[in-house]
Amino acid sequence: GAGVSQTPSNKVTEKGKYVELRCDPISGHTALYWYRQSLGQGPEFLIYFQGTGAADDSGLPNDRFFAVRPEGSVSTLKIQRTERGDSAVYLCASGRGGQETQYFGPGTRLLVL
Amino acid sequence: EDQVTQSPEALRLQEGESSSLNCSYTVSGLRGLFWYRQDPGKGPEFLFTLYSAGEEKEKERLKATLTKKESFLHITAPKPEDSATYLCGGAGSYQLTFGKGTKLSVIP
Repeated sequence: GAGVSQTPSNKVTEKGKYVELRCDPISGHTALYWYRQSLGQGPEFLIYFQGTGAADDSGLPNDRFFAVRPEGSVSTLKIQRTERGDSAVYLCASGRGGQETQYFGPGTRLLVL
Repeated sequence: EDQVTQSPEALRLQEGESSSLNCSYTVSGLRGLFWYRQDPGKGPEFLFTLYSAGEEKEKERLKATLTKKESFLHITAPKPEDSATYLCGGAGSYQLTFGKGTKLSVIP
C-alpha cells in the first residue's frame, strides 16, 4: 500500500563524481518513469520503462546518464562524471502504463558542487 | 513538439476568493490531461485526469475542465491549505509534458 519511494532524499556530490539514485515503485506497477525538475520548472521526462526494458530513453540529456530496472521493479538512475548543471530534483513515477495515471515519489535532490 | 503553457505563473488570493488556473496545450494525439499539486520540497500529488473535451472532474474545492485546446482548474472558496504549485501535464503517449506550474498563495 506504500507509495513510490526514492533514496537518498538528498545527495551532495562533487563535480566529476558518480552517483546512483534509487526508485522503488508502487507494487504491481509495470511502468516506471524518471523525470528531472529544475527550480521553477515543471518536471522533464528522462526515461520510461515498461517491465525490465527501457521503452523510451529519448529524454536522457547525454551518455553520462543511464538507468536500469533489472527485475522489473526497483530502478536506478546512474549519472557519471557529474556536472554542476546536473543539480536538480530527480523524480520517479510509476503507473500501470499507457495513458494511466503516474504516481510520483518525493524526489532526490541532487546538488553538484 | 508537444508544449504545455500555464498561466498565471503566480496567483495570490484572499481566503474565499474563487479563481481559475489556465493550462493551454499542444500535445499530439492527446490521450490524457493531468493535474497535480506540488508542495515545497515534495513530489507532485495526483489530482485529476481528463481524457476528452467536455469532461469535468471535481474534488472538494477543485474542479477541472477540458476543451480541445485548454484545461482549467477552478478553485472555489479557497483556504490557506490550498496554497501550493499546481502542475498541468499532457500525455501524447506515455510520457507527460508539463507546464511550469502556477504557484497559488491563499492569504487568510
